[in-house]
Amino acid sequence: DAGVIQSPRHEVTEMGQEVTLRCKPISGHDYLFWYRQTMMRGLELLIYFNNNVPIDDSGMPEDRFSAKMPNASFSTLKIQPSEPRDSAVYFCASSDEGGRTEAFFGQGTRLTVV
Amino acid sequence: GNSVTQMEGPVTLSEEAFLTINCTYTATGYPSLFWYVQYPGEGLQLLLKATKADDKGSNKGFEATYRKETTSFHLEKGSVQVSDSAVYFCALRGGATNKLIFGTGTLLAVQP
Repeated sequence: DAGVIQSPRHEVTEMGQEVTLRCKPISGHDYLFWYRQTMMRGLELLIYFNNNVPIDDSGMPEDRFSAKMPNASFSTLKIQPSEPRDSAVYFCASSDEGGRTEAFFGQGTRLTVV
Repeated sequence: GNSVTQMEGPVTLSEEAFLTINCTYTATGYPSLFWYVQYPGEGLQLLLKATKADDKGSNKGFEATYRKETTSFHLEKGSVQVSDSAVYFCALRGGATNKLIFGTGTLLAVQP
């Protein structure tokens, strides 16, 4: 398997624009996590899915953020409208069905909002 | 809820020095514990794990033991190399939740 695949690797956008980040989890994995990493706040869990269903979105910062998982092989994180404070590296991770197992991370998307 | 606390960095060591990065946790039930490593510009990689009390995880010369009595999972390595320079994250999952929760990360810089 190629691992967790995220796209794009880098995104530069203007404030107010819509941004969509994409993730393809490892085939057969049942859990998918979205994280945001910044120097100030470290690694924050935004939302996670189990079998394509959002389980906990308490980390989503505000209504401008939304995440979907329409099928087992694809998820999106959307920011609309984007703001400069959303600049960060966004990671997607997936794990198998065990609720205590490790997760495997993608390479991340570095988002810059100017 | 579940949480992880790890020592603040940066930790600066000379090559071949002994490394300890402290990690303690708070959790209900019996979570699994992990150490991840992040090299510059990359995603997080699993370094080692332990799934129950007294388990020792090990990989690439790094070790950590799951201590339930002290709720700790300290990372150790007997002789660090320059190539070990990275950010190290302690994490837990399970118990009352299936969330994978991370500590704040510790930057390790190893000088030749």
